[in-house]
Amino acid sequence: SQTIHQWPATLVQPVGSPLSLECTVEGTSNPNLYWYRQAAGRGLQLLFYSVGIGQISSEVPQNLSASRPQDRQFILSSKKLLLSDSGFYLCAWSAPAAGGPQHFGDGTRLSIL
Amino acid sequence: SQKIEQNSEALNIQEGKTATLTCNYTNYSPAYLQWYRQDPGRGPVFLLLIRENEKEKRKERLKVTFDTTLKQSLFHITASQPADSATYLCAHGSGNTGKLIFGQGTTLQVKP
Repeated sequence: SQTIHQWPATLVQPVGSPLSLECTVEGTSNPNLYWYRQAAGRGLQLLFYSVGIGQISSEVPQNLSASRPQDRQFILSSKKLLLSDSGFYLCAWSAPAAGGPQHFGDGTRLSIL
Repeated sequence: SQKIEQNSEALNIQEGKTATLTCNYTNYSPAYLQWYRQDPGRGPVFLLLIRENEKEKRKERLKVTFDTTLKQSLFHITASQPADSATYLCAHGSGNTGKLIFGQGTTLQVKP
């Protein structure tokens, strides 16, 4: 069966520090991969998605970047965190064909001090 | 641009009653709508998908309808239980990439 792992579960970082969040998927090949951010009491905002290794599409201009160095690995990064980067970050995967469900990890709660 | 809207007010119902949650979209009819459940501090979990040519979809105590005339999807939980308490998210597909646009979610509270 397929599983998705996200870590760390919580993270507290000072303003201006770098960020690296990692997401890995097991049990499937060539998945579509997604990074979302969710503000408290709000819906999910799509940040990045990827349909293959090295293929990254950015949905909103921001202080973050994403990379996909391997088929089932998706990394969210920042060189210098801002206070506004605080939030709940979720990684998800879906089968390559459009229209199928997305499967989410348990998220990273990021607090910027 | 396409928007998807859910009632931001929490829905409080008594155990055993049917919960009905609403999802409205603007502009064009999406090819499909998906419903997810999200518990506090967890990622969303997929529940049901309904396509635009389907009027209704069922899974155990869950039922979803899709009305392209009203531009609306309704999500029903029959015989609700306190364990059904969660936030429910509606989403629709965007293009051929598998991307989803999510509503802000509606929180359901089922009281014993």
